[in-house]
Amino acid sequence: AQTVTQSQPEMSVQEAETVTLSCTYDTSESNYYLFWYKQPPSRQMILVIRQEAYKQQNATENRFSVNFQKAAKSFSLKISDSQLGDTAMYFCAFLIIQGAQKLVFGQGTRLTINP
Amino acid sequence: NAGVTQTPKFRVLKTGQSMTLLCAQDMNHEYMYWYRQDPGMGLRLIHYSVGEGTTAKGEVPDGYNVSRLKKQNFLLGLESAAPSQTSVYFCASSLGGHSNQPQHFGDGTRLSIL
Repeated sequence: AQTVTQSQPEMSVQEAETVTLSCTYDTSESNYYLFWYKQPPSRQMILVIRQEAYKQQNATENRFSVNFQKAAKSFSLKISDSQLGDTAMYFCAFLIIQGAQKLVFGQGTRLTINP
Repeated sequence: NAGVTQTPKFRVLKTGQSMTLLCAQDMNHEYMYWYRQDPGMGLRLIHYSVGEGTTAKGEVPDGYNVSRLKKQNFLLGLESAAPSQTSVYFCASSLGGHSNQPQHFGDGTRLSIL
């Protein structure tokens, strides 16, 4: 079975600072995707960034980037120049590509950006 | 661009009552999913469907039933609601197959069982 662990229940930083959210996962699969989803108070689940396991290059999306360490089964999210609108719950998720493509989520990290 | 629409957005039930949550997607997606989200936990998969007329159990299926009679709709039913089913419910859909496209989520339904 696949598991996803986010060890930081809450984090808080000042606006414009850089923050890194941690995520580790456990799987015996070799072909999978990893995602970070953002859930603001509006409750929407918004895809932030994704990483294909077969790609060694770390994914980046504007101010968001990941540090993907496949051997260590680690997938951290770095937010640069944080903004007030980044305040949200962040969920790391794992997806096996074959079959039903079920997402397995971590417990989430509540991130607060302070002015 | 509606995407994934969940109905209703809020509902309060009494223990033992039944109800159905509706999920509709207009993206012609094959795969659809129902999750529940509880405080301090990520989303957990209840049931899913890989195509019209198919359903399968996820991680926490007990107390729920689902139906996928039409490709665009995925219904989640609670036959006899229990306080333990108080949660926020999310529906999602994806292209499925060999596609690498991510799941698209609805805005959630907050359900309280008294």
